[in-house]
Amino acid sequence: GESVGLHLPTLSVQEGDNSIINCAYSNSASDYFIWYKQESGKGPQFIIDIRSNMDKRQGQRVTVLLNKTVKHLSLQIAATQPGDSAVYLCAENRGAGGTSYGKLTFGQGTILTVHP
Amino acid sequence: NAGVTQTPKFQVLKTGQSMTLQCAQDMNHEYMSWYRQDPGMGLRLIHYSVGAGITDQGEVPNGYNVSRSTTEDFPLRLLSAAPSQTSVYFCASIPQGVNTEAFFGQGTRLTVV
Repeated sequence: GESVGLHLPTLSVQEGDNSIINCAYSNSASDYFIWYKQESGKGPQFIIDIRSNMDKRQGQRVTVLLNKTVKHLSLQIAATQPGDSAVYLCAENRGAGGTSYGKLTFGQGTILTVHP
Repeated sequence: NAGVTQTPKFQVLKTGQSMTLQCAQDMNHEYMSWYRQDPGMGLRLIHYSVGAGITDQGEVPNGYNVSRSTTEDFPLRLLSAAPSQTSVYFCASIPQGVNTEAFFGQGTRLTVV
């Protein structure tokens, strides 16, 4: 969820399992959503995005699902690998007219740990 | 292309000192932004720019100044550092267009003592 605090949600999985990371967003006017992966000591890296006129988008081993009714976003990672261990950040764009203008609003993130 | 380059990577300041965090991008992106990331929290927008000469405030602008004299550079200035500004700072650039992803630098870890 979007709660603010010092403790990030965590998800621990075994290598080869599928992972599902969830995110609740707050602004019903948001029209673009992005998932980022952030490894320790590095900047966020783009994983996958989705526009509000879609409810599902697939990439390589990843799928993003968007439920606008309940303002919920999820990231599914298939056959999770140890290299997938990181913090996963969801972001929503509230830019006027659908243009980003660099104004992304981020959730607090989820720590994914993959055990060999 | 180097992408988004931030300098320095680490910095320790004393309370009251000023400094500038540098950010440069070589992708000719119109939009650039500064975020800060604190433990247990997502990134929060400090300032952003939609082009050379145009800047605006984000969610947490107090204590920071920016300017955008060129497309490539977007420095962030701390006027009088405070311990509350201890954080990791990320610069991002975004190409112009509808719904485009942000490209992030590697971050500057700043400690104010």
